Amino acid sequence: DAGVIQSPRHEVTEMGQEVTLRCKPISGHNSLFWYRQTMMRGLELLIYFNNNVPIDDSGMPEDRFSAKMPNASFSTLKIQPSEPRDSAVYFCASSLAGPNSPLHFGNGTRLTVT
Amino acid sequence: TQLLKQSPQFLSIQEGENLTVYCNSSSVFSSLQWYRQEPGEGPVLLVTVVTGGEVKKLKRLTFQFGDARKDSSLHITAAQTGDTGLYLCAGDLGGKLIFGQGTELSVKP
Repeated sequence: DAGVIQSPRHEVTEMGQEVTLRCKPISGHNSLFWYRQTMMRGLELLIYFNNNVPIDDSGMPEDRFSAKMPNASFSTLKIQPSEPRDSAVYFCASSLAGPNSPLHFGNGTRLTVT
Repeated sequence: TQLLKQSPQFLSIQEGENLTVYCNSSSVFSSLQWYRQEPGEGPVLLVTVVTGGEVKKLKRLTFQFGDARKDSSLHITAAQTGDTGLYLCAGDLGGKLIFGQGTELSVKP
């Protein structure tokens, strides 16, 4: 069982650049979540997919953020253009059946925007 | 506005001591989960509680869900250095999992 796989582990970029974070959920899980973690705000839900369809994107900060799930085994979170306040650890998680079932988190992508 | 408030935010104790971490809200949750997170890793689920008043035990860890399903506690007996980490509670609110800010626990030898 490979678990949820995220890439890259670390990303350092300059303000204004496009950033793409990637996630491979656990095979057979039909729900995928993107969270952002900062010291100030803790873990915040950005967006949640069920069967590859976005169900709740109310946590996406603004239009600079977009997420896709083209198939059951891959998702991306894109920030364009990036800003220093986007610096955080971004986690992807998957579950068998929505937020009621246990979430399995990846090890996160630490993003630094200078 | 933090829907789920955890206390204390930071806790530093000696090995062998007991401790309790609290998770409180004014909202009613369908269920509540507790996670533990170590540096550089994602949170890992410890337990899910569903019924008001429910108590679950996981070795030296005891989890309780409040009768009204608005609060929960985590009690650790005889803490060990391996218990060090960030403890997060997360409540299911209308199909959305909301996390508390966590309690950073440090257990010193």
